[in-house]
Amino acid sequence: EAGVTQSPTHLIKTRGQQATLRCSPISGHTSVYWYQQALGLGLQFLLWYDEGEERNRGNFPPRFSGRQFPNYSSELNVNALELEDSALYLCASSSLRRQLNEKLFFGSGTQLSVL
Amino acid sequence: RKEVEQDPGPFNVPEGATVAFNCTYSNSASQSFFWYRQDCRKEPKLLMSVYSSGNEDGRFTAQLNRASQYISLLIRDSKLSDSATYLCVVNFIQGAQKLVFGQGTRLTINP
Repeated sequence: EAGVTQSPTHLIKTRGQQATLRCSPISGHTSVYWYQQALGLGLQFLLWYDEGEERNRGNFPPRFSGRQFPNYSSELNVNALELEDSALYLCASSSLRRQLNEKLFFGSGTQLSVL
Repeated sequence: RKEVEQDPGPFNVPEGATVAFNCTYSNSASQSFFWYRQDCRKEPKLLMSVYSSGNEDGRFTAQLNRASQYISLLIRDSKLSDSATYLCVVNFIQGAQKLVFGQGTRLTINP
């Protein structure tokens, strides 16, 4: 069974551009979480989607947005990129419908570099 | 104050030693608690949940102190393969729920 997959693995952008990161959850999982992990820092909660709806959002500006598709895959969009957006973006999925499930399965992440 | 705080370390201990680290959280309404492990350049993986009565999984023991709002992880007879970053995770309830990760404690086991 395939795990959580993220694409691309690496993304290089310049300041002001827009980035789109993609995540496919484990088959049967309806919840997708996005986290940002900057170098030397912990995972910062970005977004939680479940069954197509945004369930919660972390303390990030509106230029961080996302969506979840009917097949439960998800996109994270970052507009007007800034240098400090450079980080590893991790996606995780879980199986409990409409409830927060602490057992998260993470993808390998997308390393975003903003130059 | 951070929602979840951990001593970032690094902790360097010899193989076979016992090592313990704590994590404090700010929200007294927090529901559940976990330890995740993250190897260098890899994704985090669930190590164990933390129950009110304390729980053990082999060489690993986790404890929760709700009154003082901290959780702990104890590793006995440490192995080289235990070298990793250990992330404390708390399920917060502030309107909607969210899982908040601590910044992690880096542990290196030396031969």
